[in-house]
Amino acid sequence: EAQVTQNPRYLITVTGKKLTVTCSQNMNHEYMSWYRQDPGLGLRQIYYSMNVEVTDKGDVPEGYKVSRKEKRNFPLILESPSPNQTSLYFCASSLGPQGTYEQYFGPGTRLTVT
Amino acid sequence: DAKTTQPNSMESNEEEPVHLPCNHSTISGTDYIHWYRQLPSQGPEYVIHGLTSNVNNRMASLAIAEDRKSSTLILHRATLRDAAVYYCILGVWAGGTSYGKLTFGQGTILTVHP
Repeated sequence: EAQVTQNPRYLITVTGKKLTVTCSQNMNHEYMSWYRQDPGLGLRQIYYSMNVEVTDKGDVPEGYKVSRKEKRNFPLILESPSPNQTSLYFCASSLGPQGTYEQYFGPGTRLTVT
Repeated sequence: DAKTTQPNSMESNEEEPVHLPCNHSTISGTDYIHWYRQLPSQGPEYVIHGLTSNVNNRMASLAIAEDRKSSTLILHRATLRDAAVYYCILGVWAGGTSYGKLTFGQGTILTVHP
């Protein structure tokens, strides 16, 4: 089954404790991205990647890092999480540019930073 | 970014057709019209997208106005499972190696009554 998986699905952590949210897709997609969803603000893009070792900032990249060492994986790294990063995070992938191709979204990771 | 305008909420009865409107008066000639939906506690799910012509797939139909300033997502027979937030989004792609952009708004909350 074609899918995007994220782990963990739920995470509660404390300020400053580094964490990584993993994202993996099994569709051989070149394009991957991370979004966060907050009430009243909708989905906002954090980072995206067009291929292995090619990443770039989205609309809200501050406080986040990403890496793309393999085509299927695109982890999101919070080196020093803060409470304003409490949010619902989604990973997505697509065969081509997201403006023109269907995006496949993961199930989401709900992060709480205390 | 080109914006879309959707009603905040709509209601329908089960097994009746649903027409979800979207206005995008500032759309440019190369912007694609995308529809995604998000069921409670899930990631966004692709529904349909198109450029100029009407489009049909197993989930829905997309009717695009001749001037492309508005579009309508048509669910032919609503089911309880169709209750979700529906997002109308303009997909922007600058061409070449650019990643493209989808900007999610607030969407339309669709309630389906048994």
